[in-house]
Amino acid sequence: EPEVTQTPSHQVTQMGQEVILRCVPISNHLYFYWYRQILGQKVEFLVSFYNNEISEKSEIFDDQFSVERPDGSNFTLKIRSTKLEDSAMYFCASSELQGPSAEQYFGPGTRLTVT
Amino acid sequence: KQEVTQIPAALSVPEGENLVLNCSFTDSAIYNLQWFRQDPGKGLTSLLLIQSSQREQTSGRLNASLDKSSGRSTLYIAASQPGDSATYLCAVSGFQKLVFGTGTRLLVSP
Repeated sequence: EPEVTQTPSHQVTQMGQEVILRCVPISNHLYFYWYRQILGQKVEFLVSFYNNEISEKSEIFDDQFSVERPDGSNFTLKIRSTKLEDSAMYFCASSELQGPSAEQYFGPGTRLTVT
Repeated sequence: KQEVTQIPAALSVPEGENLVLNCSFTDSAIYNLQWFRQDPGKGLTSLLLIQSSQREQTSGRLNASLDKSSGRSTLYIAASQPGDSATYLCAVSGFQKLVFGTGTRLLVSP
C-alpha cells in the first residue's frame, strides 16, 4: 500500500542551525502539507502546498520556515535558524484531492530536537 | 477560529467493552472530519473520513457519526481489544488544513 515517508526519523541540531526535513508524498497525490506536534500538545497545521506554491499557511509558519518541491518526488521543510521552541514532531501529509472527499495521509514524522 | 475538543481525555476499559469517543467543534462550516489513531512516538493513521454531507461511516469494528449542525462527532469502537490501545484524534477540515483535537488516550486491558 502506498505511504508517505519521511527522513530522518530523528534530527538533533544546535540552536541557530538550519535543518531540512524531507518527505516523499504518495506518488499520485497533488496536495502536500506540513504539521507539527510539540510534546504533549495538539497537532498544528503549518503549511499547505499545491502546484509549486504555498496555498495556505498558519501564523506559526513565519519567515524562518520555507517549503520546496525540488523534484518530482520530494517535499521539504526548511527551518532557517532553529530555536529551542522548534523542538517538536514534524509530520508531512499528502492528499489526492481537495474538498470534502480529501483524505490526508500522514508520514511517520521527524522528531526534531533543538539543543 | 475553529476549536476542536475531545472528551474524555483518557479512558481505561477491560477487553471486550464497546466504547464511545466524543469530538466537538465550534464552527460547523467544515468539509469533512477525519478520525486518526496515534501510537506513542509514531505517526497518524487515518481510520475514517466522513464528508460534511454524510452522517456515518463504518470500517470493521469502528463506526463514526457526524452531526454537523450541532458540531459533534462520535467514534464507536465495538468489542475493544488490547491492540486498540492508542490515542485517538479527530480533525476537522476547513477546505485544506486540518484542525485537530487534543485526543483521547485509550487503554484496553486484557
